[in-house]
Amino acid sequence: AQSVAQPEDQVNVAEGNPLTVKCTYSVSGNPYLFWYVQYPNRGLQFLLKYITGDNLVKGSYGFEAEFNKSQTSFHLKKPSALVSDSALYFCAVREIYFGSGTKLNVKP
Amino acid sequence: DADVTQTPRNRITKTGKRIMLECSQTKGHDRMYWYRQDPGLGLRLIYYSFDVKDINKGEISDGYSVSRQAQAKFSLSLESAIPNQTALYFCATSDELAGENTGELFFGEGSRLTVL
Repeated sequence: AQSVAQPEDQVNVAEGNPLTVKCTYSVSGNPYLFWYVQYPNRGLQFLLKYITGDNLVKGSYGFEAEFNKSQTSFHLKKPSALVSDSALYFCAVREIYFGSGTKLNVKP
Repeated sequence: DADVTQTPRNRITKTGKRIMLECSQTKGHDRMYWYRQDPGLGLRLIYYSFDVKDINKGEISDGYSVSRQAQAKFSLSLESAIPNQTALYFCATSDELAGENTGELFFGEGSRLTVL
């Protein structure tokens, strides 16, 4: 069975510090992986994707993610968090399987 | 105007009523999707359509039906609404990446449905 797991319901980080939002996956075949962000009362917005190629993927708003095949992970990272990064983040496999979401809180 | 438009944005109804949520898009994408979002559960796929003549069930299709009226329009119906269908519903579109059979999703703003 294919699935996506986000083990942390919430991540708290101070502004200016690096952030990581974790995602692990279980898929058969090619792991087409995506990250989306949801701001309050809004739809989800695409951040970045891994289809093939370089394991480090760069996306919108300074975010990046590292595909790790041996650990079946696709963690979202940013070197320096902003208060405006506070939102709900979802990892997804293709258009089909979404993680439960991780709420990121960035404190001033 | 938004690329993916959902109507209504909010709806309160009673158990047993028929409800239709509508979605239209101006992105020119062939693929359209309906999801529901519940706290702590993320998004779950209800139905998807890869073109006007193609309709597929997702993970949680029971109690729902869809209609793809045109490339740009994809509606979701609840024939007889029940309280556990109270959720935030999202429509999305995508375009197939060349040779990869997948692409990023473009979401509407959501339709909040409450079934009393």
